[in-house]
Amino acid sequence: DTGVSQDPRHKITKRGQNVTFRCDPISEHNRLYWYRQTLGQGPEFLTYFQNEAQLEKSRLLSDRFSAERPKGSFSTLEIQRTEQGDSAMYLCASKNVGGPGDTQYFGPGTRLTVL
Amino acid sequence: GNSVTQMEGPVTLSEEAFLTINCTYTATGYPSLFWYVQYPGEGLQLLLKATKADDKGSNKGFEATYRKETTSFHLEKGSVQVSDSAVYFCALSGGGADGLTFGKGTHLIIQP
Repeated sequence: DTGVSQDPRHKITKRGQNVTFRCDPISEHNRLYWYRQTLGQGPEFLTYFQNEAQLEKSRLLSDRFSAERPKGSFSTLEIQRTEQGDSAMYLCASKNVGGPGDTQYFGPGTRLTVL
Repeated sequence: GNSVTQMEGPVTLSEEAFLTINCTYTATGYPSLFWYVQYPGEGLQLLLKATKADDKGSNKGFEATYRKETTSFHLEKGSVQVSDSAVYFCALSGGGADGLTFGKGTHLIIQP
């Protein structure tokens, strides 16, 4: 069990550029979540996948945000035309539905800075 | 919708003091309740959880009891250590949504 990994850990971009983040969940976990955390706040739920199916996307912050999990393993979160307000920590979590417990395990996050 | 309210920080205590961090929630149905901890420079880690009313979660000397009648899940520890300094988040799942709903976090500072 190597834990949830995220790449990159830090991303600095200029306003208007597109960015993509990757999340690799714990290998046997079938459910994957994305969250955003701004300074001084708790994580805010964005979207989640059950295997490759995206089951909730109404919480995505705008149509500039999109996420995929094409083969039911790793996932990507893309932000198009970034704005300064997108600067935040983006967290990924995974869990095994149907397994013991009801626990999401979090990755270290990708810190995005939009200049 | 679901919401979690936890006491504002920072909370500053001396080593070996008793700790309580209050957490109350609003949710439909019967959510599961969690405390996550974020140590400086690290990611979120699950500290403890409870999945039904009157359950007590415990770990590393921390405890919290799921109180449905008061919709609360207060975190307690009898004797804190400097190494407990971190940000603590109360969270819930269920109640009609699968993603976790978090409180704003409480920054705990333990002084030697």
